[in-house]
Amino acid sequence: DADVTQTPRNRITKTGKRIMLECSQTKGHDRMYWYRQDPGLGLRLIYYSFDVKDINKGEISDGYSVSRQAQAKFSLSLESAIPNQTALYFCATSDPSGLAGNYETQYFGPGTRLLVL
Amino acid sequence: QKEVEQNSGPLSVPEGAIASLNCTYSDRGSQSFFWYRQYSGKSPELIMFIYSNGDKEDGRFTAQLNKASQYVSLLIRDSQPSDSATYLCAVRRGGGADGLTFGKGTHLIIQP
Repeated sequence: DADVTQTPRNRITKTGKRIMLECSQTKGHDRMYWYRQDPGLGLRLIYYSFDVKDINKGEISDGYSVSRQAQAKFSLSLESAIPNQTALYFCATSDPSGLAGNYETQYFGPGTRLLVL
Repeated sequence: QKEVEQNSGPLSVPEGAIASLNCTYSDRGSQSFFWYRQYSGKSPELIMFIYSNGDKEDGRFTAQLNKASQYVSLLIRDSQPSDSATYLCAVRRGGGADGLTFGKGTHLIIQP
């Protein structure tokens, strides 16, 4: 079974709709992240969370919100979707308490492909 | 100014040759550097990380870091067609923040 799962894997929505992307992990990691990937722009950080009570904005948080429901779950919401939010969205986890030299490695989920019409 | 720069390619290398991928970064305070491989439509997977100046070898892969020049590279020896992918250079954000800043990636093609 995958350690980091994302649902849905694909989603088509209309402008103005509210949607939620979900991420779950069984790795036991405290830190979780949301990135988006656009052709020609690479991966960009949207939000990250150190633990359930600690959520921080990344480079491009405008138009997004997040919820850390539990250590294992981190959701990304688009309150009112717009076409330029069409992208591939990745959730990732990391374990800063891990082995020395490896504690910053991020592990990515399979991604959610979102199309906003 | 983009914080992490990579040549987007495509970089075409014959099978069995050495593939050399390069990356520069702008934040001189950056401490941690990562190379991820991403196949089309798939998620990034870690190839190597490096923290100290010099070379770090893992199998066919060697990461090189030069903090004075703000330069990171990845060498792939004995390139195989399965190495064909996009290679992402990433730098850990500093200043108390977390998460990685990625370059746009270099598309590598290994020609059989």
